[in-house]
Amino acid sequence: DVKVTQSSRYLVKRTGEKVFLECVQDMDHENMFWYRQDPGLGLRLIYFSYDVKMKEKGDIPEGYSVSREKKERFSLILESASTNQTSMYLCASSLWGQPQHFGDGTRLSIL
Amino acid sequence: QKEVEQDPGPLSVPEGAIVSLNCTYSNSAFQYFMWYRQYSRKGPELLMYTYSSGNKEDGRFTAQVDKSSKYISLFIRDSQPSDSATYLCATDMNSGGYQKVTFGTGTKLQVIP
Repeated sequence: DVKVTQSSRYLVKRTGEKVFLECVQDMDHENMFWYRQDPGLGLRLIYFSYDVKMKEKGDIPEGYSVSREKKERFSLILESASTNQTSMYLCASSLWGQPQHFGDGTRLSIL
Repeated sequence: QKEVEQDPGPLSVPEGAIVSLNCTYSNSAFQYFMWYRQYSRKGPELLMYTYSSGNKEDGRFTAQVDKSSKYISLFIRDSQPSDSATYLCATDMNSGGYQKVTFGTGTKLQVIP
């Protein structure tokens, strides 16, 4: 079974802090994705990566950056956290041409 | 207009009922169709994945795709309380060299014992 592990289930941070969300997959998938999920808005793609050190902007990249130094690990960085970034963050991975598999999410609160 | 429309529910049914969950989409370029199940405070879990029009069955679950009317459905037979979750439809197309997945906002299902 595919295993996508997100480092924290719940996280509380303060406005202006730099926040790191970590994601690791164990299936040698080329593609990795970061989404945020908000009620009524569904899943929105923030960034994705199709190879080590490669990254592409999704639909809502503003205020975020990513890092992929190793194939199995994809990090999402909130450069200066703001209250409107309070959300559920979901990481996913996939092989080319195959559906995405998700982690259990990180519920992030920015106070 | 959203590219993928899904009734948010909630949908409440008695245990044992047949459940029908539906989505419509607007872009005929969508090629692949998925259903995910998401339990509260968990990530989406892939249930069904299909490419062509027609039916695909897996146990109590049947996914149906009608590309001519841009309509996708998930049927759950003999529904169980453990099926209570939010169900997300999703579609997929190649866009500029990568696969762009568009999700519906989800339908919340409650199966009452």
